[in-house]
Amino acid sequence: NAGVTQTPKFQVLKTGQSMTLQCAQDMNHEYMSWYRQDPGMGLRLIHYSVGAGITDQGEVPNGYNVSRSTTEDFPLRLLSAAPSQTSVYFCASSETSFAGELFFGEGSRLTVL
Amino acid sequence: GQQLNQSPQSMFIQEGEDVSMNCTSSSIFNTWLWYKQDPGEGPVLLIALYKAGELTSNGRLTAQFGITRKDSFLNISASIPSDVGIYFCAGQTSGGSYIPTFGRGTSLIVHP
Repeated sequence: NAGVTQTPKFQVLKTGQSMTLQCAQDMNHEYMSWYRQDPGMGLRLIHYSVGAGITDQGEVPNGYNVSRSTTEDFPLRLLSAAPSQTSVYFCASSETSFAGELFFGEGSRLTVL
Repeated sequence: GQQLNQSPQSMFIQEGEDVSMNCTSSSIFNTWLWYKQDPGEGPVLLIALYKAGELTSNGRLTAQFGITRKDSFLNISASIPSDVGIYFCAGQTSGGSYIPTFGRGTSLIVHP
C-alpha cells in the first residue's frame, strides 16, 4: 500500500528557479492538501483541493501554485523560489473534505539558496 | 482565523514517566485529532475524537474531548524511547470548509 507518495524527498534550488513538488495518492481520496512545516510554526496550510478540478488557498499561499487535473495527483509549483520558501513540505489526503483524518506523505525537504 | 494553543511546546522526560499535553481553542470544534510525527517522517493519526466528553485510548495513549468543545488533552503513560517525536493536535468544525486547524506541536524527548 503506497498511500501518499511525495517526490523528490530532497531538493536544493537557487533563488529564482522554479520547480514542482509531486504528490500522488492511491486511496481514491477526494481531499488533498499541501502544508509547510517550519521550526516552531507547526503545520501551515498552503493550498488544498476538495476534488478534481477544484483548488483553494490556505493560510500561506503566496509564491505557490497548484492544480488538480486528476483525483490521484496534486502537484505544488514554486514559480520563482525564494529563501523564505526553505522548508519541509507535506502532502496530505483524506477520504473527503469532511473527514479530518489526514494521511500524510513522508515530506519533501526544500532548500533555497 | 481560528487559533489553537498547544502546550507545552517541548518536554524532556525520563523513560517510564507519564506525559500530559493539551490544546485549547477560542472556537468550538466538532472533531479533535491527535497526530504524532516521528523524526524525518510525516505525521500519523493517533486518536480521533468526535463527541464532547469522549475519552478514547490507543494503547498507552489516552485522549479526551473537552466538555466545552474548546479543548482536548493527550496523555501518554509509562513513556518509552520510541515515544520521541512531535505531537500535533488538530481541530475541525462542522461548518465552513471543514479544513482542520493544527496546533504548533509538542516536541517530546524521552531519556532512557
